[in-house]
Amino acid sequence: ETGVTQTPRHLVMGMTNKKSLKCEQHLGHNAMYWYKQSAKKPLELMFVYSLEERVENNSVPSRFSPECPNSSHLFLHLHTLQPEDSALYLCASSQDLGAVVHFGNGTRLTVT
Amino acid sequence: GENVEQHPSTLSVQEGDSAVIKCTYSDSASNYFPWYKQELGKRPQLIIDIRSNVGEKKDQRIAVTLNKTAKHFSLHITETQPEDSAVYFCAARTGGYQKVTFGIGTKLQVIP
Repeated sequence: ETGVTQTPRHLVMGMTNKKSLKCEQHLGHNAMYWYKQSAKKPLELMFVYSLEERVENNSVPSRFSPECPNSSHLFLHLHTLQPEDSALYLCASSQDLGAVVHFGNGTRLTVT
Repeated sequence: GENVEQHPSTLSVQEGDSAVIKCTYSDSASNYFPWYKQELGKRPQLIIDIRSNVGEKKDQRIAVTLNKTAKHFSLHITETQPEDSAVYFCAARTGGYQKVTFGIGTKLQVIP
């Protein structure tokens, strides 16, 4: 049990679809993150939430829309994605901003 | 912002030999340096970390060294075993809210 649970594990979607990625943490943490992991690239921080407020948006295209309804849940809403958005999307949480980051198992997204 | 460079990108060693992965960072204000291990198909997991007030830290076969003057830090794995095969990421924490920046990763293969 990782403490950070992501669903679905795999997702295939067309460029015109709308889907959402879900993340739930059972660690009592105050900060949650979305990362994108692409082949041969560093882990890219997309969004940071602290106490349910977004504190960073790293120039992520508007076709990615995060939502943090409470400190335990984080969503990433996807619409009109491009094939280059295919990647592993990792959710993570930490006790506070900058504390040790705990990752979920990720959602492998393929955009066709 | 912070820039973390990591090398080599791939590393093959014989079982029992040592492996060394090196990272450099750009922001002298960085104060915390975690290392993550990601096995194939799994989430990144913290394996060791070091803070800027410490030069070296060891945990069984894994050690990390930090040279603040040169702004580089290294991961050392001794007596490597096949289960050490994975991708290893270094990271540096810096910024007003202590943002964590990751390196590109090193794929380590331990040959039995």
